[in-house]
Amino acid sequence: DAGITQSPRHKVTETGTPVTLRCHQTENHRYMYWYRQDPGHGLRLIHYSYGVKDTDKGEVSDGYSVSRSKTEDFLLTLESATSSQTSVYFCAISPTGTGMGTEAFFGQGTRLTVV
Amino acid sequence: LAKTTQPISMDSYEGQEVNITCSHNNIATNDYITWYQQFPSQGPRFIIQGYKTKVTNEVASLFIPADRKSSTLSLPRVSLSDTAVYYCLVVNQAGTALIFGKGTTLSVSS
Repeated sequence: DAGITQSPRHKVTETGTPVTLRCHQTENHRYMYWYRQDPGHGLRLIHYSYGVKDTDKGEVSDGYSVSRSKTEDFLLTLESATSSQTSVYFCAISPTGTGMGTEAFFGQGTRLTVV
Repeated sequence: LAKTTQPISMDSYEGQEVNITCSHNNIATNDYITWYQQFPSQGPRFIIQGYKTKVTNEVASLFIPADRKSSTLSLPRVSLSDTAVYYCLVVNQAGTALIFGKGTTLSVSS
């Protein structure tokens, strides 16, 4: 399995509090992604990074920020958590984006509950 | 990127061959087709990808007709452990991120 570690795996937090999820990789892949998965919506891209300090928005970026200060770590921050951000969050990595012959590797997910 | 359409759900029995068809009418010349599989409580994992004709690996086969407006993922002799969600994605050679649809939930019964 690709070396991807998401932490924490489970978290319950209160509305209005800041939350940071961490994705750590040991593959030295250039691209890193954050997705959220909700019933009826499938996987939706939040933000992604194509290098250290290089990030871009995905489909559902409102309310989220990201940072990548090292190749191996990609952080997702909810500045002020809301109940609508209750979801399962997946991190993914890829060596070269979506080029032919490239596959993305996903972490085990973080289940976040905002109460 | 081309929009994909695939059945919401499919049911099968152990030992049967399962074919999941994905429609992508607006696929562009530089696009290719990729399939991912997701088991409950896990992240998706890559199954197979192709540009045209037929691709086969140890897990599945992918059939893409000449017009490339659709593709079919074929799972031979499914087992209970093949119960999962299967995603069809159209991906651009120069793209940066995978965009997922809702996928097809395959349920395999004994």
